[in-house]
Amino acid sequence: GNSVTQMEGPVTLSEEAFLTINCTYTATGYPSLFWYVQYPGEGLQLLLKATKADDKGSNKGFEATYRKETTSFHLEKGSVQVSDSAVYFCALSPLRSNDYKLSFGAGTTVTVRA
Amino acid sequence: GAVVSQHPSWVICKSGTSVKIECRSLDFQATTMFWYRQFPKQSLMLMATSNEGSKATYEQGVEKDKFLINHASLTLSTLTVTSAHPEDSSFYICSAPAVGAGDTQYFGPGTRLTVL
Repeated sequence: GNSVTQMEGPVTLSEEAFLTINCTYTATGYPSLFWYVQYPGEGLQLLLKATKADDKGSNKGFEATYRKETTSFHLEKGSVQVSDSAVYFCALSPLRSNDYKLSFGAGTTVTVRA
Repeated sequence: GAVVSQHPSWVICKSGTSVKIECRSLDFQATTMFWYRQFPKQSLMLMATSNEGSKATYEQGVEKDKFLINHASLTLSTLTVTSAHPEDSSFYICSAPAVGAGDTQYFGPGTRLTVL
């Protein structure tokens, strides 16, 4: 079956520090990969996605590259801000039509201190 | 971008009562919606797939008679927690696939259910 393994948190950083959250997956075929973010008190929002090998998703200074050889989709940001404090979820969706079920990682809580 | 709303945003009820949660796609039609449950500091667990005009598909271990799902229109799915008990207290979240990009989903803000 499909599964996502995500680096456990919590992660606490200082502003302008480099952030990496590791994510690896197990899936049949080539799924689409996502990072979702959940800010305090809000619902999940799509942060970025990649749909095929070597694709790089990017948004708001965050990046993640779809690595088929290592089945990974690590999230990175070079200089975090206090406003990046949130819970980050790695997820995958199987590449089959009409099957859009998402499998989520456990989530990583990130706290950025000023 | 597309918006998914949920109502209510929070609800407190007595044990044994039933609670209905609505999920609406505000500016697009959704033949499929998903219902998740999220425990504190944990990930989202898919409960069921709501299908417009047909029965919902439940994930293994989810009681279909306990969590009733109705998808009566292309913009509305409802989840009814029947005879709620304190262990049903959780954060319930719905999502709907984007039109033309089904692997991207839009999430509702969630409903916090507390059963006393």
